[in-house]
Amino acid sequence: QLVESGGGLVQPGGSLRLSCAASGFVLEMYSMNWVRQAPGKGLEWVAFISSQSRTIHYGDSVKGRFTISRDNAQNSLYLQMNNLRAEDTAVYYCVRELGIAEGLDFWGPGTLVTISS
Amino acid sequence: SYELTQAVSVSVALGQTAKITCDGNNIGRKNVHWYQQKPGQAPEVVINTDKNRPSGIPERFSGSNSGNTATLTISRAQAGDEADYYCQVWDGSNWVFGGGTRLTVL
Repeated sequence: QLVESGGGLVQPGGSLRLSCAASGFVLEMYSMNWVRQAPGKGLEWVAFISSQSRTIHYGDSVKGRFTISRDNAQNSLYLQMNNLRAEDTAVYYCVRELGIAEGLDFWGPGTLVTISS
Repeated sequence: SYELTQAVSVSVALGQTAKITCDGNNIGRKNVHWYQQKPGQAPEVVINTDKNRPSGIPERFSGSNSGNTATLTISRAQAGDEADYYCQVWDGSNWVFGGGTRLTVL
Protein backbone atom coordinates (compact mmCIF):
# COMPACT_ATOMS: atom_id res chain seq x y z
CA GLN A 1 0.00 0.00 0.00
CA LEU A 2 1.12 3.53 -0.75
CA VAL A 3 -0.49 6.45 1.06
CA GLU A 4 0.33 10.06 0.27
CA SER A 5 -0.10 12.91 2.73
CA GLY A 6 0.78 16.56 3.09
CA GLY A 7 -1.38 18.06 0.38
CA GLY A 8 -3.42 21.18 0.92
CA LEU A 9 -3.95 24.82 -0.01
CA VAL A 10 -0.86 27.00 -0.33
CA GLN A 11 -0.33 30.51 -1.64
CA PRO A 12 1.80 31.09 -4.72
CA GLY A 13 5.45 31.20 -3.80
CA GLY A 14 4.90 28.97 -0.81
CA SER A 15 6.27 25.55 0.04
CA LEU A 16 4.83 22.16 0.81
CA ARG A 17 6.28 18.76 1.66
CA LEU A 18 4.51 15.65 0.51
CA SER A 19 5.08 12.29 2.13
CA CYS A 20 4.32 8.78 0.95
CA ALA A 21 4.19 5.90 3.38
CA ALA A 22 4.77 2.44 1.96
CA SER A 23 3.56 -0.75 3.58
CA GLY A 24 3.33 -4.37 2.55
CA PHE A 25 6.62 -4.31 0.69
CA VAL A 26 10.21 -3.25 1.26
CA LEU A 27 10.55 0.24 -0.17
CA GLU A 28 14.33 0.09 -0.51
CA MET A 29 14.04 -2.58 -3.20
CA TYR A 30 12.29 -0.22 -5.61
CA SER A 31 12.81 2.98 -7.50
CA MET A 32 10.00 5.43 -6.88
CA ASN A 33 8.34 8.29 -8.71
CA TRP A 34 5.98 11.19 -8.21
CA VAL A 35 3.40 11.73 -10.93
CA ARG A 36 0.83 14.51 -10.91
CA GLN A 37 -2.46 15.25 -12.60
CA ALA A 38 -3.91 18.73 -12.86
CA PRO A 39 -7.72 18.95 -12.61
CA GLY A 40 -9.26 17.57 -15.77
CA LYS A 41 -5.86 17.02 -17.39
CA GLY A 42 -3.57 14.13 -18.18
CA LEU A 43 -0.73 12.52 -16.26
CA GLU A 44 2.55 14.37 -15.86
CA TRP A 45 5.68 12.72 -14.51
CA VAL A 46 7.36 14.84 -11.82
CA ALA A 47 10.39 13.06 -10.37
CA PHE A 48 12.27 9.77 -10.08
CA ILE A 49 14.56 8.42 -7.38
CA SER A 50 16.46 5.14 -7.53
CA SER A 51 16.30 2.62 -4.71
CA GLN A 52 19.39 3.89 -2.90
CA SER A 53 18.95 7.54 -3.96
CA ARG A 54 21.98 7.41 -6.23
CA THR A 55 20.05 8.56 -9.27
CA ILE A 56 17.45 11.34 -9.31
CA HIS A 57 15.66 12.92 -12.25
CA TYR A 58 13.11 15.72 -12.50
CA GLY A 59 10.62 16.87 -15.05
CA ASP A 60 11.49 20.17 -16.71
CA SER A 61 8.54 22.00 -15.17
CA VAL A 62 9.70 21.35 -11.59
CA LYS A 63 13.47 21.25 -11.95
CA GLY A 64 15.13 23.57 -9.44
CA ARG A 65 11.97 23.93 -7.35
CA PHE A 66 11.12 20.38 -6.25
CA THR A 67 13.31 17.86 -4.41
CA ILE A 68 12.57 14.16 -4.20
CA SER A 69 14.04 12.12 -1.35
CA ARG A 70 13.46 8.92 0.53
CA ASP A 71 14.08 7.29 3.89
CA ASN A 72 14.22 3.56 3.34
CA ALA A 73 14.49 2.87 7.05
CA GLN A 74 11.15 4.63 7.49
CA ASN A 75 9.69 3.12 4.30
CA SER A 76 8.89 6.66 3.16
CA LEU A 77 9.17 8.82 0.07
CA TYR A 78 9.07 12.60 0.04
CA LEU A 79 8.61 15.53 -2.29
CA GLN A 80 9.70 18.96 -1.14
CA MET A 81 7.99 21.60 -3.27
CA ASN A 82 9.21 25.19 -3.17
CA ASN A 83 8.29 28.35 -5.00
CA LEU A 84 4.92 26.88 -5.86
CA ARG A 85 2.92 28.20 -8.80
CA ALA A 86 -0.74 28.02 -9.76
CA GLU A 87 0.15 25.48 -12.45
CA ASP A 88 1.44 23.11 -9.77
CA THR A 89 -2.14 22.57 -8.66
CA ALA A 90 -2.75 18.85 -9.10
CA VAL A 91 -3.28 15.51 -7.48
CA TYR A 92 0.14 14.10 -6.69
CA TYR A 93 0.62 10.35 -6.88
CA CYS A 94 3.37 8.32 -5.26
CA VAL A 95 4.21 5.49 -7.65
CA ARG A 96 6.35 2.38 -7.39
CA GLU A 97 8.51 1.47 -10.36
CA LEU A 98 9.50 -2.00 -11.50
CA GLY A 99 12.04 -0.64 -13.93
CA ILE A 100 12.32 1.05 -17.28
CA ALA A 101 11.28 -2.11 -19.07
CA GLU A 102 8.35 -2.89 -16.80
CA GLY A 103 6.98 0.57 -15.94
CA LEU A 104 5.09 1.80 -12.91
CA ASP A 105 3.18 -0.96 -11.21
CA PHE A 106 1.63 0.46 -8.05
CA TRP A 107 0.05 3.85 -7.41
CA GLY A 108 -1.11 5.53 -4.25
CA PRO A 109 -4.55 7.19 -4.14
CA GLY A 110 -2.99 10.64 -4.45
CA THR A 111 -3.03 13.86 -2.47
CA LEU A 112 -4.42 17.15 -3.75
CA VAL A 113 -2.22 20.23 -3.82
CA THR A 114 -3.93 23.53 -4.54
CA ILE A 115 -1.95 26.69 -5.18
CA SER A 116 -4.09 29.77 -4.87
CA SER A 117 -4.15 33.12 -3.17
CA SER B 1 11.99 16.19 -25.74
CA TYR B 2 10.20 13.00 -26.72
CA GLU B 3 6.48 13.27 -27.41
CA LEU B 4 3.69 10.71 -27.43
CA THR B 5 0.49 11.45 -29.33
CA GLN B 6 -2.86 9.86 -28.56
CA ALA B 7 -6.32 10.50 -29.93
CA VAL B 8 -8.44 12.45 -27.46
CA SER B 9 -11.32 10.02 -27.65
CA VAL B 10 -12.28 6.63 -29.04
CA SER B 11 -15.73 5.07 -29.12
CA VAL B 12 -16.57 1.40 -29.37
CA ALA B 13 -19.81 -0.53 -29.44
CA LEU B 14 -20.44 -2.89 -26.58
CA GLY B 15 -18.83 -6.25 -27.34
CA GLN B 16 -16.71 -4.93 -30.17
CA THR B 17 -12.95 -4.27 -30.38
CA ALA B 18 -11.38 -0.96 -29.46
CA LYS B 19 -7.92 0.10 -30.62
CA ILE B 20 -6.14 2.94 -28.88
CA THR B 21 -2.96 4.12 -30.53
CA CYS B 22 0.10 5.94 -29.26
CA ASP B 23 2.39 7.59 -31.79
CA GLY B 24 6.02 8.48 -31.18
CA ASN B 25 9.21 8.67 -33.18
CA ASN B 26 10.58 5.11 -33.42
CA ILE B 27 8.46 4.12 -30.46
CA GLY B 28 8.93 0.52 -31.59
CA ARG B 29 12.43 0.71 -30.12
CA LYS B 30 11.10 1.58 -26.68
CA ASN B 31 9.18 -0.33 -24.02
CA VAL B 32 5.61 0.97 -23.91
CA HIS B 33 3.34 0.76 -20.91
CA TRP B 34 -0.40 1.40 -20.79
CA TYR B 35 -2.46 2.65 -17.85
CA GLN B 36 -6.18 2.71 -17.29
CA GLN B 37 -7.71 5.44 -15.15
CA LYS B 38 -11.35 5.42 -14.14
CA PRO B 39 -13.00 8.58 -12.76
CA GLY B 40 -11.87 9.42 -9.25
CA GLN B 41 -9.32 6.62 -9.16
CA ALA B 42 -5.56 6.32 -9.48
CA PRO B 43 -4.21 4.86 -12.72
CA GLU B 44 -3.66 1.13 -13.02
CA VAL B 45 -1.24 -0.59 -15.37
CA VAL B 46 -3.02 -2.81 -17.89
CA ILE B 47 -0.13 -3.57 -20.25
CA ASN B 48 3.60 -3.29 -19.63
CA THR B 49 6.61 -3.89 -21.82
CA ASP B 50 4.57 -3.50 -24.99
CA LYS B 51 2.37 -6.57 -24.60
CA ASN B 52 2.53 -8.10 -21.15
CA ARG B 53 -0.59 -8.26 -19.01
CA PRO B 54 -0.02 -7.91 -15.27
CA SER B 55 -1.75 -10.37 -13.00
CA GLY B 56 -5.47 -9.72 -12.79
CA ILE B 57 -5.81 -7.92 -16.11
CA PRO B 58 -8.29 -9.67 -18.41
CA GLU B 59 -7.03 -11.40 -21.53
CA ARG B 60 -9.24 -9.02 -23.51
CA PHE B 61 -6.46 -6.44 -23.10
CA SER B 62 -3.50 -6.78 -25.44
CA GLY B 63 -0.72 -4.59 -26.74
CA SER B 64 1.60 -4.26 -29.70
CA ASN B 65 4.39 -1.91 -30.67
CA SER B 66 6.14 -1.41 -33.97
CA GLY B 67 7.60 1.41 -35.99
CA ASN B 68 6.11 4.69 -34.87
CA THR B 69 2.93 3.34 -33.29
CA ALA B 70 2.03 1.36 -30.18
CA THR B 71 -1.48 -0.01 -29.88
CA LEU B 72 -3.65 -1.07 -26.97
CA THR B 73 -6.43 -3.40 -28.10
CA ILE B 74 -9.47 -4.12 -25.99
CA SER B 75 -11.52 -7.02 -27.29
CA ARG B 76 -15.18 -7.62 -26.45
CA ALA B 77 -15.43 -4.19 -24.88
CA GLN B 78 -17.50 -3.93 -21.72
CA ALA B 79 -19.13 -0.98 -20.02
CA GLY B 80 -16.55 -1.30 -17.26
CA ASP B 81 -13.76 -0.58 -19.75
CA GLU B 82 -14.88 3.04 -20.05
CA ALA B 83 -11.90 5.02 -18.81
CA ASP B 84 -8.96 7.17 -19.78
CA TYR B 85 -5.99 5.28 -21.18
CA TYR B 86 -2.43 6.58 -21.15
CA CYS B 87 0.67 5.27 -22.89
CA GLN B 88 4.11 5.79 -21.38
CA VAL B 89 7.77 5.33 -22.27
CA TRP B 90 11.13 6.09 -20.69
CA ASP B 91 13.12 8.66 -22.66
CA GLY B 92 16.57 8.29 -21.12
CA SER B 93 16.03 10.49 -18.11
CA ASN B 94 12.30 11.12 -18.12
CA TRP B 95 9.11 9.18 -18.04
CA VAL B 96 6.87 10.49 -20.82
CA PHE B 97 3.11 10.06 -20.91
CA GLY B 98 0.81 10.43 -23.85
CA GLY B 99 -2.00 12.90 -23.51
CA GLY B 100 -4.54 10.18 -22.83
CA THR B 101 -7.49 8.70 -24.73
CA ARG B 102 -10.99 8.59 -23.32
CA LEU B 103 -12.71 5.35 -24.27
CA THR B 104 -16.48 5.42 -24.51
CA VAL B 105 -18.41 2.16 -24.77
CA LEU B 106 -21.66 2.71 -26.62
